[in-house]
Amino acid sequence: DVQLTQSPSSVSASVGDRVTITCRASQDIGTWLAWYQQNPGKGPKLLVHSASTLQSGVPSRFTGSGSGTDFTLTITSLQPEDFATYYCQQGYGFSITFGQGTRLEIK
Amino acid sequence: QVQLQESGPGLLKPSETLSLTCHVSDDSINTYYWGWVRQPPGRALEWVASIYRAGNTYYNPSIKSRVTISIDTSKRQFSLRLTSVTAADSAVYYCARKTATAFFDVWGQGTQVTVSS
Repeated sequence: DVQLTQSPSSVSASVGDRVTITCRASQDIGTWLAWYQQNPGKGPKLLVHSASTLQSGVPSRFTGSGSGTDFTLTITSLQPEDFATYYCQQGYGFSITFGQGTRLEIK
Repeated sequence: QVQLQESGPGLLKPSETLSLTCHVSDDSINTYYWGWVRQPPGRALEWVASIYRAGNTYYNPSIKSRVTISIDTSKRQFSLRLTSVTAADSAVYYCARKTATAFFDVWGQGTQVTVSS
């Protein structure tokens, strides 16, 4: 199975800052990667799929990039509603895995 | 926008069988993949199983021996069955729509399942 390793596990930032979260796959997964945002007590929300395609309705301050084994999610000009937990997910092959999550906290 | 709604028992005893159902609000049940994802308290998301129509099922290898996913398009619903549950199966269970590109674009609100004697 493909393993995903996210870093950092948590990060503190201020409104207006830029934050980058990384996700490393244990093998080449092409661009079969998505990013989700999850707020406490809520289901995940798809932000980016196919590594860099912004899901409809997601603000342009979210940017996904990467291919192969290394991927990043960048959030520019952080807004109060962006403080949440972020997960990467790979869809290569028939088995799906998620990263362990990155908690974005207000500094 | 399609809506998903999970239903099932909130509390089970160890060794019992968990049965969950997800109702889909429109006919897209015929054209998409569907899946279950769970999240133990304070932990990460874990994919459980996916299905496309009746003949294509996919399972997380770690629990494959205990899981069955099924679909009833006439009722616009799909279901999850997990046998021999233990406390480790306690989690919020989400049903979700899976695109052909292997990502989950619509999610239910989730249903809490607790396994306790």
